Parts: sequence; structure tokens; C-alpha cells
Amino acid sequence: AQSVTQPDIHITVSEGASLELRCNYSYGATPYLFWYVQSPGQGLQLLLKYFSGDTLVQGIKGFEAEFKRSQSSFNLRKPSVHWSDAAEYFCAVGAPSSASKIIFGSGTRLSIRP
Amino acid sequence: GAGVSQSPSNKVTEKGKDVELRCDPISGHTALYWYRQSLGQGLEFLIYFQGNSAPDKSGLPSDRFSAERTGGSVSTLTIQRTQQEDSAVYLCASSLDSSSYEQYFGPGTRLTVT
Repeated sequence: AQSVTQPDIHITVSEGASLELRCNYSYGATPYLFWYVQSPGQGLQLLLKYFSGDTLVQGIKGFEAEFKRSQSSFNLRKPSVHWSDAAEYFCAVGAPSSASKIIFGSGTRLSIRP
Repeated sequence: GAGVSQSPSNKVTEKGKDVELRCDPISGHTALYWYRQSLGQGLEFLIYFQGNSAPDKSGLPSDRFSAERTGGSVSTLTIQRTQQEDSAVYLCASSLDSSSYEQYFGPGTRLTVT
């Protein structure tokens, strides 16, 4: 069974600074990987996904993530954060054989320092 | 187009009462998911519907929880004899089909059991 770990519960970065949110997964084969964002009072929105191919994936709102098989990681990055990026970010892992088995991490709350 | 909608947005109930939570998926989406998000926690998978197939109920925490999906569209999550530990945000998501994996989330129903 797959699992996902987000080691950082809460991160604060200054506006304009770069961001990296960590995600580690456990799965016996190449999983499907996702990052979702949950803004205050909003539903979860898909930022980006990785199924196969190029290990660096681009998403919406200027985010990108890199799949590193050797490290079982799928970290989310953004070169310069904006105050509107303050939100909860969830990494998720899915098994290619089953759409129902998408496991979400516990989330990382991002705060932006003015 | 319209996204996933959920009702009510907030529900306060007394311990021991039954509650029904409703989800209207995006039109044409055949897959529907229910999750529970407790304070400071990630998303806990509850149940998955795909078309006319038997639902995957493997995430339901107890037999007090049940869900149905009528006509392949609207879904209702029912919690009987609510307990305080049932207090959480209940999220519904839909996706185009079982191979899509990209889930579109509703805003959630915040359930408080007093």
C-alpha cells in the first residue's frame, strides 16, 4: 500500500523568497503523484500532477515539482512566493492500478511574512 | 461550468443524532469520492463510487457511516448516532472517470457534534 509523508507541518517564508515543500512517498512501483492547495475557505485545487515522463512538472500559479525516484520524493517549489500563496498544501500519491486509492499527506501550512 | 457543490456548508448536531451530507458532483463525472478532514490532519479516504460498480467502502470508519449515490450523480453521506469524534470537515470530490485521477473538490461540510 502506498503512503505519503509531509515532514513540515508549518513553514513561514518571506514574500518574494523561494519556497520548497517536502513530500516523501512509499510505493512499490512508480506512483502517480499530486500536489493540491487548499486556500482558506476554499476547496482543494490541483496544482500539478506527475504520471510519467519528464520528472520536472510545471503546474498552475508558478509552481513546479520534481519527481526523484532515488529519494522517493516529490518536492514542490516556487521561485518567488506571493502573499496569496498562503494556504495549506497537500501532497498525494496514487496507485496506477486503482483510482480510488489516492492517499493524501497531512499537509503543510504555508504562511507568508510581509 | 458549475463545480462540485456540497450542502449544508455547516452543520451542528447533538451527539446521538443522525446527519445527512449531500454532494452534487460535476455533471458528467462518473467517479465520486468522500473524504474526512479533521483539524490539523490530512484527508482521510472514506468511500469511492465509480459508475454503476460496487463502491469501495474500505475507508468508512464504522458501520455508523454509509453513503449512497443515486442515479450516478448526487451522493449522500449519512452518519448515524453521531459522536463527538465525528466532528470534522467532510469533503466530496469528483473526477471524470476511473482513469482520470484528477479530482475536483467541493468546499466541504463542517460538521460539529456537541
